[in-house]
Amino acid sequence: AQSVTQPDIHITVSEGASLELRCNYSYGATPYLFWYVQSPGQGLQLLLKYFSGDTLVQGIKGFEAEFKRSQSSFNLRKPSVHWSDAAEYFCAVGANYGQNFVFGPGTRLSVLP
Amino acid sequence: EAGVAQSPRYKIIEKRQSVAFWCNPISGHATLYWYQQILGQGPKLLIQFQNNGVVDDSQLPKDRFSAERLKGVDSTLKIQPAKLEDSAVYLCASSWGGLAFFGQGTRLTVV
Repeated sequence: AQSVTQPDIHITVSEGASLELRCNYSYGATPYLFWYVQSPGQGLQLLLKYFSGDTLVQGIKGFEAEFKRSQSSFNLRKPSVHWSDAAEYFCAVGANYGQNFVFGPGTRLSVLP
Repeated sequence: EAGVAQSPRYKIIEKRQSVAFWCNPISGHATLYWYQQILGQGPKLLIQFQNNGVVDDSQLPKDRFSAERLKGVDSTLKIQPAKLEDSAVYLCASSWGGLAFFGQGTRLTVV
């Protein structure tokens, strides 16, 4: 069965600083990997996805993530954080079409002015 | 393109009462999911439909939760009777091409 861990419950960064959110997954085959963002009271918005091919994927709002099979990781990065990036970030793993998506516990990002 | 629609957005009920949530997925999406998100946690799958058939309901508390998708389009999730620990956001999602699209969710408070 798939599982996802996000080691950091809460991260605080200053506006303009770089950001890396960690995600590790467990899955027996090649996973589909996702990062979602959730602002308070809102649904989940897809930031980016990895299905296959280039292991560095670009997403919306200036985010990118790198798939490292050897480390079972899919860390999310952003070179310069904006105050509007403050939110909850969820890593998720899926499988083949039609299978369900398993989410990590989330990392809450706070941004200092 | 219209997104996943859910209603109501908010619901407050007393314990032991019943409640129902409705979801209309994106047109053409055969797969529909209901997730429960407790405050401070990631979403947890309750049930997954493929068209009008259940694919996975292994984490659905079947003594009190039920869900249906009779015509393979919209879906209803019901809780009867509700417990305090059912307080959560209930998210509906539909998927196509390996991507899941989420609705805004229904925030349930059980008092």
